[in-house]
Amino acid sequence: KAGVTQTPRYLIKTRGQQVTLSCSPISGHRSVSWYQQTPGQGLQFLFEYFSETQRNKGNFPGRFSGRQFSNSRSEMNVSTLELGDSALYLCASGLAGSNEQFFGPGTRLTVL
Amino acid sequence: AQSVSQHNHHVILSEAASLELGCNYSYGGTVNLFWYVQYPGQHLQLLLKYFSGDPLVKGIKGFEAEFIKSKFSFNLRKPSVQWSDTAEYFCAVKQYNNNDMRFGAGTRLTVKP
Repeated sequence: KAGVTQTPRYLIKTRGQQVTLSCSPISGHRSVSWYQQTPGQGLQFLFEYFSETQRNKGNFPGRFSGRQFSNSRSEMNVSTLELGDSALYLCASGLAGSNEQFFGPGTRLTVL
Repeated sequence: AQSVSQHNHHVILSEAASLELGCNYSYGGTVNLFWYVQYPGQHLQLLLKYFSGDPLVKGIKGFEAEFIKSKFSFNLRKPSVQWSDTAEYFCAVKQYNNNDMRFGAGTRLTVKP
């Protein structure tokens, strides 16, 4: 069974631009969560989607948004990029009703 | 708010030494507990998890963890570490049936050969 895949793996943007990251969950998984990992703040929860609906949201500004499609694939968008948005963005998927999440390799975003 | 504390930022051990990494959380309700490992250049992998039942859980690669409810702790242990255990270890807690998972700051383990 293929794992969680994230594209692109690496991305370089400049301040003020916007970016869209993609996550394909493990087949059959309907829950997709996003996390930001930085050396200073560690791993922080961004949001979770289930059946195309946002179920939970972390403490991030409105510049961070996401969506989930009917095939459970999810995208995360960050608008008006700031230097501090440079991070590894991780996606995790899980089965409906399960408490376990499986993580993808992440997208490394660098904002210049 | 729910929070997770990992007591050690960086631990350095020699091969065959015993390991214990501390993890405490602040949430008082029903929780699910996890330890994840991130090897250099690799993605997060689940080491072990606790949902209910026996508070001593065994994971992959000889790791185990003990859930002590009264102490809000979920410490990770391994009797004898190997050089290949060099990695960053994250404790994580989530409320039952809520996928808002909170991670500790991580503990970097360096095992000297």
